Amino acid sequence: AQRVTQPEKLLSVFKGAPVELKCNYSYSGSPELFWYVQYSRQRLQLLLRHISRESIKGFTADLNKGETSFHLKKPFAQEEDSAMYYCALTPGANSKLTFGKGITLSVRP
Amino acid sequence: ETGVTQTPRHLVMGMTNKKSLKCEQHLGHNAMYWYKQSAKKPLELMFVYSLEERVENNSVPSRFSPECPNSSHLFLHLHTLQPEDSALYLCASSQDRGNYNSPLHFGNGTRLTVT
Repeated sequence: AQRVTQPEKLLSVFKGAPVELKCNYSYSGSPELFWYVQYSRQRLQLLLRHISRESIKGFTADLNKGETSFHLKKPFAQEEDSAMYYCALTPGANSKLTFGKGITLSVRP
Repeated sequence: ETGVTQTPRHLVMGMTNKKSLKCEQHLGHNAMYWYKQSAKKPLELMFVYSLEERVENNSVPSRFSPECPNSSHLFLHLHTLQPEDSALYLCASSQDRGNYNSPLHFGNGTRLTVT
């Protein structure tokens, strides 16, 4: 069975500092990976997904199959990035998402 | 209203009560889900419905009973719950049941407290 591990519960940085939110997964095949975000008083929503190779709000995430990681990165954090971030994995079509426990990012002024 | 709407936002119930959570989506999606979000735990998938047919039941106790009368509505009927069932219950929908190409759209959730 697949598993998603987010080893840290909280990351606190100052505005302008780089951010890296860690995500590791265990799955023997080639999964699709996602990052979901929940801002204060808003609903959980998709931030980005590996298959799209996109940068959203300055965030990027690279799939490293050797290290089975999908870390979320941003070079310069903004206060509005403060939120709860969840990494998620699906093995493929018609398969469900498995979520990590999430990490709270706090960006201080 | 567009998106996924859940009611009520908050619910307090005793262990002997019967209540229902409601979810409605106006996105034209074919799949709907119930998730449980507890403190210090990952999001737990409870049920999946695809085209009104239950396709997944993740060993959820029978005191939780889902109902999907049509592709736009999803209910979670609750009876004789336990205090440990207190959590945030999230409804979500997606275009298709496979989340590979169909991202989840979540509601705001129902905060349930069982006393």
